[in-house]
Amino acid sequence: QVQLVESGGGVVQPGRSLRLSCAASGFAFNSYAMHWVRQTPGTGLEWVAVISSDGTNTYYADSVKGRFTFSRDNSKNTLHLQMNSLKAEDTAVYYCARGLRATHISAAGTVFDPWGQGTLVTVSS
Amino acid sequence: DIQMTQSPSSLSASVGDRVTITCRPSQSISNYLNWYQQKPGRAPKLLIYAASSLKGGVPSRFSGSGSGTDFTLTITSLQPEDFATYYCQQSYITPLTFGGGTKVEIK
Repeated sequence: QVQLVESGGGVVQPGRSLRLSCAASGFAFNSYAMHWVRQTPGTGLEWVAVISSDGTNTYYADSVKGRFTFSRDNSKNTLHLQMNSLKAEDTAVYYCARGLRATHISAAGTVFDPWGQGTLVTVSS
Repeated sequence: DIQMTQSPSSLSASVGDRVTITCRPSQSISNYLNWYQQKPGRAPKLLIYAASSLKGGVPSRFSGSGSGTDFTLTITSLQPEDFATYYCQQSYITPLTFGGGTKVEIK
């Protein structure tokens, strides 16, 4: 079955870095755009970033632009989210989610289905 | 960014009740609206996409309607497993945005 499994979360000090991974299985990974979405009790669900099916195009939320880098390895069915210069407000559960079966990263019609189980990132001194 | 306003933020209902949740985007989004269900400690799950299309395997007591700036999720005859938090999400334009959620609790 379609499955997404995140890893790499943990506790990190402000200003430091962390790398999240998401392992995908059960579907044609290299045909789908993929996303990261995060969730905090205070701000709810926030879309973070998208990457095209071939990995050549990415787009980020303004809140993480310039600090986060989204990449994928289609040979290993894996996503990575490199998070630098972390801030307290980056504290959240991070989910990877499958997007559209398409080569572009246009938003139109994007559904997040399925989602991984999430990995908790805590930024604290 | 498109702001998504959900109401109510929470509600109490009994098994068998009909429940209606509203989602209003800050601008017209045609039918680019999805609904998700989330239970405590779990990831959200897609229920409805494109405003009114039921994902395969989702019970038919769930339905969605609306277009433009006014959308509704309806649960007819609420079941014990439906007590959860529900989120709307617009897929009209990046950044993709979510509503604040509606928590459906047991009365």
